[in-house]
Amino acid sequence: GQNIDQPTEMTATEGAIVQINCTYQTSGFNGLFWYQQHAGEAPTFLSYNVLDGLEEKGRFSSFLSRSKGYSYLLLKELQMKDSASYLCAPNSGYSTLTFGKGTMLLVSP
Amino acid sequence: EAQVTQNPRYLITVTGKKLTVTCSQNMNHEYMSWYRQDPGLGLRQIYYSMNVEVTDKGDVPEGYKVSRKEKRNFPLILESPSPNQTSLYFCASQGALGNEQFFGPGTRLTVL
Repeated sequence: GQNIDQPTEMTATEGAIVQINCTYQTSGFNGLFWYQQHAGEAPTFLSYNVLDGLEEKGRFSSFLSRSKGYSYLLLKELQMKDSASYLCAPNSGYSTLTFGKGTMLLVSP
Repeated sequence: EAQVTQNPRYLITVTGKKLTVTCSQNMNHEYMSWYRQDPGLGLRQIYYSMNVEVTDKGDVPEGYKVSRKEKRNFPLILESPSPNQTSLYFCASQGALGNEQFFGPGTRLTVL
């Protein structure tokens, strides 16, 4: 089975930096996905970490520590459109994805 | 255009009336899944399929059936819908277990 933990809600202001943490316990592990989901819409892919360390992709970066069962998503230069839910999904390697409950990020002016 | 399609997008029905939500992908993906999403509970997997004629239960399979007769289609069947199945449903596909999942646009189902 899998256990995924992320904060329920976070708030930040436009232009700021925010870090969304995710801890997980899985019976197998092949990497970790982050998805973004705007209200009422389908989740969209943000990043996939297989190896330990930081992967940077524009304003978004994702970090993974396999030994600690820990990942974070770092969002820089926040914009209003970044207000969304962010879903952490460890890949067990033997099934399709199981998602965390998501972190609702509210960006205010 | 690579995509996952679902139909219908919105459905209001009554308790006990059988319904099917279709899902189709044009990316030749082997893996397909159905999720439901409810406030405070996140995305929960209902069923998944790793290939044609291969399906398996996810976390919340009760009250649902699926079939995978062809690679591109993965319909979700509610034989006797109940109000607790009112939810937002997403179909997804992925080419391999390490690849990203592509999601359909969602089906908002209300069971009265």
